Amino acid sequence: DADVTQTPRNRITKTGKRIMLECSQTKGHDRMYWYRQDPGLGLRLIYYSFDVKDINKGEISDGYSVSRQAQAKFSLSLESAIPNQTALYFCATSVNPWETQYFGPGTRLLVL
Amino acid sequence: QKEVEQNSGPLSVPEGAIASLNCTYSDRVSQSFFWYRQYSGKSPELIMSIYSNGDKEDGRFTAQLNKASQYVSLLIRDSQPSDSATYLCAVPSNTGNQFYFGTGTSLTVIP
Repeated sequence: DADVTQTPRNRITKTGKRIMLECSQTKGHDRMYWYRQDPGLGLRLIYYSFDVKDINKGEISDGYSVSRQAQAKFSLSLESAIPNQTALYFCATSVNPWETQYFGPGTRLLVL
Repeated sequence: QKEVEQNSGPLSVPEGAIASLNCTYSDRVSQSFFWYRQYSGKSPELIMSIYSNGDKEDGRFTAQLNKASQYVSLLIRDSQPSDSATYLCAVPSNTGNQFYFGTGTSLTVIP
């Protein structure tokens, strides 16, 4: 089984809808991250969490919110989806700040 | 200046050749460096990590680090069509809060 899983893998929604993307991990890592990837822009950090009580904004947090329900679960919500939130979203985990991050398979989101 | 910069490419090499991918970073105190490979529509996967100046070899891959020049590179020897992907360079921030990723270099290995 994959160590970092994301659901759904693909999602089509309409402008104004609220949606949630979920991430689960079995690696036992405290640190979890949400990124979005757009062509030519690379990976951009949305939110990160170092434990259940520690959640921090990344460089592009506007329009997004997160919830860390447990060490293993980190969810990303789009409160009112807009077309420019169409992107590939990745969840990642790490054991400490200077070791590699492990990525989930990604969620492809299309906002119409 | 971006924290991590890479040439976007595309870089094309013939099968069997050496592919050279380059990355520069802005924070002089950075201590760890990572190369990821990402196939189209897939997630990044770690290829190499390097922490000390010099070369680090793993199979067909060699990472090279020069902290004085703030430069890290990835060499792929005997390139194969399966190496065709985008390669991302990543450097942790000095606060340890996040990784900075380059925008990636697209590599195509021509059979």
